This record gives sequence, C-alpha cells and structure tokens, in this order.
Amino acid sequence: EAGVAQSPRYKIIEKRQSVAFWCNPISGHATLYWYQQILGQGPKLLIQFQNNGVVDDSQLPKDRFSAERLKGVDSTLKIQPAKLEDSAVYLCASRGGGPNTGELFFGEGSRLTVL
Amino acid sequence: KQEVTQIPAALSVPEGENLVLNCSFTDSAIYNLQWFRQDPGKGLTSLLLIQSSQREQTSGRLNASLDKSSGRSTLYIAASQPGDSATYLCAVVRETSYDKVIFGPGTSLSVIP
Repeated sequence: EAGVAQSPRYKIIEKRQSVAFWCNPISGHATLYWYQQILGQGPKLLIQFQNNGVVDDSQLPKDRFSAERLKGVDSTLKIQPAKLEDSAVYLCASRGGGPNTGELFFGEGSRLTVL
Repeated sequence: KQEVTQIPAALSVPEGENLVLNCSFTDSAIYNLQWFRQDPGKGLTSLLLIQSSQREQTSGRLNASLDKSSGRSTLYIAASQPGDSATYLCAVVRETSYDKVIFGPGTSLSVIP
C-alpha cells in the first residue's frame, strides 16, 4: 500500500514570496490533515478536510495561508506572502475508517525555509 | 479544551536499559491514542494505536498502555538500542463531531551505546 506522498521535500524562498505544497493521501482515506511543525515542537493542526470539505481551519492564518482538496483526494497548501516565522516543516496526514478506529499516517513532510 | 503533555521532554539512557515515556491528556473523552516516532528531518512513523476500549497494545519491544479515566498513557521500550534514538510523540483523537487529533510536544530519546 502506497503511503502519504508530499512534495516538494525542501523549499527555500525569500519573505513575501509565495509557495505551494502538495499532498496525495493514502487511497480511500477520507480525512486529510495539514500540520505545521516548528523545530522542537509537536505538530500544530492548520486545517482538516473530510472528503473535500473543511471541518477545522481555526488555526490557519487565513490572511496568508490557503488550502484546498480537489475531488476529495489530493490537497494543496499555499502560503502567500510568506513570513520569516513560516519557516517550519509542513506535514500532511490522512486517516481512514471511523474516528474510533482509524490510524493516522504521515508523509515525509515539506521543509520550508523563509529568508 | 484538550491538552496533551509529555514527560520527560528529553531522556538519555545507556543501551540495554528498559524505559518508560509518559503522555497525559486533560479530557478523557477520546476515541483512541496513537504513539509515533520521528527521526530528525523525517515525518512521523506510527508505532502503536490504542482504541479507547483497549488497555494496551504491543509490538515487538514496544508496549503502550492507556488509562482513560486518569488521562494517561505510557510507552514502554524494552532493551533499548541506539537505533531507538528519536523523538516520540503521542496524539489523541477527541470525541467530537469530527476526528480532531491533538499532539503532545514529544520526548527526545537518546540511547547511548
């Protein structure tokens, strides 16, 4: 079974530029998450999709971050314009099954450096 | 509001020692709890998933327990090896209308040869 795929693995941009990250979840997984992980901290949820609908984006900085999940499969997370504090690893995860059974699987992450 | 904490933040042990990592959560209304391992520069790898109705799960040298009523989980690693060096994170799935996942900050483990 293929895992969660993310790209690019690494990205370096200057502040005020834009960047986009792509995620392909495990086939059949309805729930998709984007997390931001700053060095030395646990992952922080940015946005959660159930199929192609957003169920939680309460911690997404909506003035600069946006995300979509087309046709309930792939997802894209965009940052525009980027700030220095956006330097982090962006992790995508997916879950199948019901809420009390599904195991969470992560991709390798996309490391963003904003100069 | 659900909060997840992990103690200790960092741990260094000699090879071969048995060790316990702790995870605490404030709201016992959870569906399940999952333990992950994260190597530097990598994503999170699932180690064990414990459903709310279960008390423990085992995989090889790893054993995870769950006590919902006290809001605690432990990850026991037997006969530690240098390859076990990594950050270990726990995450709980809250009983909400959607499956919200809350992470702890992690425990950084170093196993010294």
